[in-house]
Amino acid sequence: GAGVSQSPSNKVTEKGKDVELRCDPISGHTALYWYRQSLGQGLEFLIYFQGNSAPDKSGLPSDRFSAERTGGSVSTLTIQRTQQEDSAVYLCASSLVPSGFLQETQYFGPGTRLLVL
Amino acid sequence: RKEVEQDPGPFNVPEGATVAFNCTYSNSASQSFFWYRQDCRKEPKLLMSVYSSGNEDGRFTAQLNRASQYISLLIRDSKLSDSATYLCVVNTGGFKTIFGAGTRLFVKA
Repeated sequence: GAGVSQSPSNKVTEKGKDVELRCDPISGHTALYWYRQSLGQGLEFLIYFQGNSAPDKSGLPSDRFSAERTGGSVSTLTIQRTQQEDSAVYLCASSLVPSGFLQETQYFGPGTRLLVL
Repeated sequence: RKEVEQDPGPFNVPEGATVAFNCTYSNSASQSFFWYRQDCRKEPKLLMSVYSSGNEDGRFTAQLNRASQYISLLIRDSKLSDSATYLCVVNTGGFKTIFGAGTRLFVKA
């Protein structure tokens, strides 16, 4: 079956521009996560969506970052006024239920590699 | 102190060797634990969950020590294909998932 997909796979932008990153989770998965991974670093949690509940935005690094999830499915991560330090791989993951329950697996998309010049 | 800490390595081992990684976590309320594997420039994929009683999957054995707040991963009879970064993952209940920075493993012929 189809896995998690993300688009674009690569994005090069100029400092100060806005970018939108898209994530299509696995159909039926209620939980959706966004992470950021800088070169050679671990995954940094950004935001989490569960069903129709209010998202947990505690990991967003600044107010330039926002995300939404429409209809409980597709999610978009928006970075406004991009900075060079935003350059990273942005990974989306989904799980059937929140990972804390029943040792649920997170399935990752291939990521979007963002480069801010 | 980081919530989840791992030795970054790299661990360089010959084929057939046994290698072990540890990961420590700071939140005693953590409830679920995982090892993920990440190949170079690829997304992470679940290697195995870690259960309280310890669990084994082929050449891989995972253990949890709640008293000392660490989990471990043991790889026996290492293969070239085991070369990757191994991510320790801890969940404090519900949704909040914390990934360690990973331990790099290189298996040499």
